[in-house]
Order: sequence, then structure tokens, then C-alpha cells
Amino acid sequence: DQQVKQNSPSLSVQEGRISILNCDYTNSMFDYFLWYKKYPAEGPTFLISISSIKDKNEDGRFTVFLNKSAKHLSLHIVPSQPGDSAVYFCAASVISSGSARQLTFGSGTQLTVLP
Amino acid sequence: DAGVIQSPRHEVTEMGQEVTLRCKPISGHNSLFWYRQTMMRGLELLIYFNNNVPIDDSGMPEDRFSAKMPNASFSTLKIQPSEPRDSAVYFCASSRGVPKLFFGEGSRLTVL
Repeated sequence: DQQVKQNSPSLSVQEGRISILNCDYTNSMFDYFLWYKKYPAEGPTFLISISSIKDKNEDGRFTVFLNKSAKHLSLHIVPSQPGDSAVYFCAASVISSGSARQLTFGSGTQLTVLP
Repeated sequence: DAGVIQSPRHEVTEMGQEVTLRCKPISGHNSLFWYRQTMMRGLELLIYFNNNVPIDDSGMPEDRFSAKMPNASFSTLKIQPSEPRDSAVYFCASSRGVPKLFFGEGSRLTVL
């Protein structure tokens, strides 16, 4: 049972254009959402996050949008740069046992930005 | 500050052998997570600890997998006996009670 889904395994975008990565979730208890970026042979690194009480969070070229009614979030990168080529993971968080937070990840989307 | 440190970075072993992966979390972090990345399943949570106590090990695939956290600065993930389908990249991550996790560079395991 995948609680966090990224239905597009790959996405190719021209340099300078907008990249839009999508993510859907099923658990309405999720209250915090994050995007991670992963380069080959490296661990995932945090990119941007959003609380469930907001619908938008922006950080430079990166903006995350949250649509709670649709249980959908998206990451917009504009303008896209070749260095943005990586696997992007969507993750969702909920308070669990022992007051610890765990993250549930989607399967990832490989973004390729073409020069 | 040092990040999450994992060892070994690469491990090649034969089926049936014991494998031990090690992790040193970021100092001051009280939650530690073990994830496995495969092409088919992406990043899946195996187990996580809070204040050195295992909280949820429901992601551990079989009894062949075990994890320990004897103190706040060290954790191990053991596979005994290993099988070819265990081949994957294993990530350790830590956090300080907030949703943002910090990942190590991973241990790539190949079981022949």
C-alpha cells in the first residue's frame, strides 16, 4: 500500500523552462511534506518543505504547492538548470509512536534538464 | 559539522554470508532511520529508533534482518544470512525530532 505516489518515473525539460514534479498521497494524517533531491552515489538531500496548514512555500527557484483536498503536492523549478538533473523524492510525515516522526517516501522522479 | 557517516560504502559478499552495515548519526540527533533503496520500491523505511529505542520495525523484510542502537552515536543493520535479493543501497538518516532527515551517503550492498 503506497501512501505516497510519484506516478512519473522520469521527466525531461529544456534548460530555462519550468519543471513540474507531482506527488499524490492517501493518508490524511500527514501534516508535513518535503522534497528531497538525490544525485547518483550520494544520499538524498533536503530541498524544500511545506506544512499542511499552508498551500505554498517558495525558496528561490523552488516552489512547493499543496492541495489538501486533492491530496496532491507539486514541486516547481523555474528556471530549470542542468545542475537540477537528479532524482526527486516526495516525502510525507506524521507523528508516530514515541513522538517520533517518520518519513514515507515516494518512488522518485528522475529529472533531466537538457542544455 | 560532520554529517551522517555510514560504512562500508560498498560491500560485495556471497550468498549466505553475514553483512553488517554501520551508521554514526549527527551528534545531538535523537532519531535514527534505516532506509533501503531499490529500483522497484524506491526508498522504503526498514526501522527507526527514537532515543536509542526501536519504535517501528515493521519495514524489516524478514527475520534475517536485525538492527541495534547500543548508544546515541552508533547503529548497526545486520543481515544474516544474506541473499541476492538483498542487494540494494542502504541509507541511514538522523533527525532531531523534526520531519527533516539528514541522510548518509549510503552503503551499496551486492550479494552474489
